[in-house]
Amino acid sequence: NAGVTQTPKFRVLKTGQSMTLLCAQDMNHEYMYWYRQDPGMGLRLIHYSVGEGTTAKGEVPDGYNVSRLKKQNFLLGLESAAPSQTSVYFCASTPNVGQGGQPQHFGDGTRLSIL
Amino acid sequence: LAKTTQPISMDSYEGQEVNITCSHNNIATNDYITWYQQFPSQGPRFIIQGYKTKVTNEVASLFIPADRKSSTLSLPRVSLSDTAVYYCLVESGAAGNKLTFGGGTRVLVKP
Repeated sequence: NAGVTQTPKFRVLKTGQSMTLLCAQDMNHEYMYWYRQDPGMGLRLIHYSVGEGTTAKGEVPDGYNVSRLKKQNFLLGLESAAPSQTSVYFCASTPNVGQGGQPQHFGDGTRLSIL
Repeated sequence: LAKTTQPISMDSYEGQEVNITCSHNNIATNDYITWYQQFPSQGPRFIIQGYKTKVTNEVASLFIPADRKSSTLSLPRVSLSDTAVYYCLVESGAAGNKLTFGGGTRVLVKP
């Protein structure tokens, strides 16, 4: 059982290039999230999805797009990378939400540098 | 939206108990309090979650007073491997409210 898997683990881009980060979970979770973490700071939510085919904006969505075509995958896209998007990106998932709270399961991150 | 405040850092020694207090003054009725641990180059990992009073598992205890405006994570008899950043998060029953973890508390365990 792999849990939440993120690919790639590391990537260096030039300003203006595009790329897609992939998050895959094998726990049949409904909810998935993309966060970014900058040095010495906590995580900030970029986008999230409450189910296949649905996405919504989080706290810092500008410059990113997402898609959830399959339940197990959540893709984060950068159409035109900027140096300000240099960060570590984390994906997380939860079974669903409702009464009782649902702790998040995280991947180990994608370290992205934009020159 | 419940914001959390916790100390930036704490030092301890092996074998001691570490207590980290988090304040969350505007916690809502349906919100839960969750603590995560993060090691360098890894994603946060769930430690413990609670709603009120006391919760204990094999690695930690969580104390929540009746007004729920704060919570305290207790790590008994820490070891060097407990050196990490600990995040307090108020998690709502509705998706999308898991917005900001805050800076976390950096715990350094010394020999």
